[in-house]
Amino acid sequence: DAKTTQPTSMDCAEGRAANLPCNHSTISGNEYVYWYRQIHSQGPQYIIHGLKNNETNEMASLIITEDRKSSTLILPHATLRDTAVYYCIVRVGYGNKLVFGAGTILRVKS
Amino acid sequence: GAVVSQHPSWVICKSGTSVKIECRSLDFQATTMFWYRQFPKQSLMLMATSNEGSKATYEQGVEKDKFLINHASLTLSTLTVTSAHPEDSSFYICSPLGLAGNGETQYFGPGTRLLVL
Repeated sequence: DAKTTQPTSMDCAEGRAANLPCNHSTISGNEYVYWYRQIHSQGPQYIIHGLKNNETNEMASLIITEDRKSSTLILPHATLRDTAVYYCIVRVGYGNKLVFGAGTILRVKS
Repeated sequence: GAVVSQHPSWVICKSGTSVKIECRSLDFQATTMFWYRQFPKQSLMLMATSNEGSKATYEQGVEKDKFLINHASLTLSTLTVTSAHPEDSSFYICSPLGLAGNGETQYFGPGTRLLVL
């Protein structure tokens, strides 16, 4: 699976949009981009995933560049409860395991 | 949807004892189960992959005789840490593979914190 690069940490003001970038320049055509987050002392929580089209659900939006070499997770109105480690992972869509990197520590501040 | 439970949520045991951790997918069936562990201030590390009814596949460096995995049904998998030692103290997280709106997705249990004294 292709590797990803994320910033170590980011701060965001409460109520503002949080934009978390991820680089995956070696992504293959059949690899999906997945986003998970892990709040302290809990199991990871699935957020969203996509192949090449932008995706949106009740939690977030995923914007994937046309060349698929990078993506951005957008939390439209960050709250204090969104403080967590966010993981961007690429993997083949079916059956393969998720391999976690270090992720981005997002701190939402009031 | 996609609710995963783990039991117990935390356990303290003496060195040399065995500990069993249960993982259940409550509202979906999982033919594949992944088990991870996480040490403090580190990311999740995959330990093993199991498919229902067959033997688990372990990652390099994970002892299969120490970490026994049973995936007897599509909704239940267990991880048994045999003869636990203090270095096995960690956060253990199961991850069943289920169907989401646009393909297969890994969901995660809430984790089990193990402390071996």
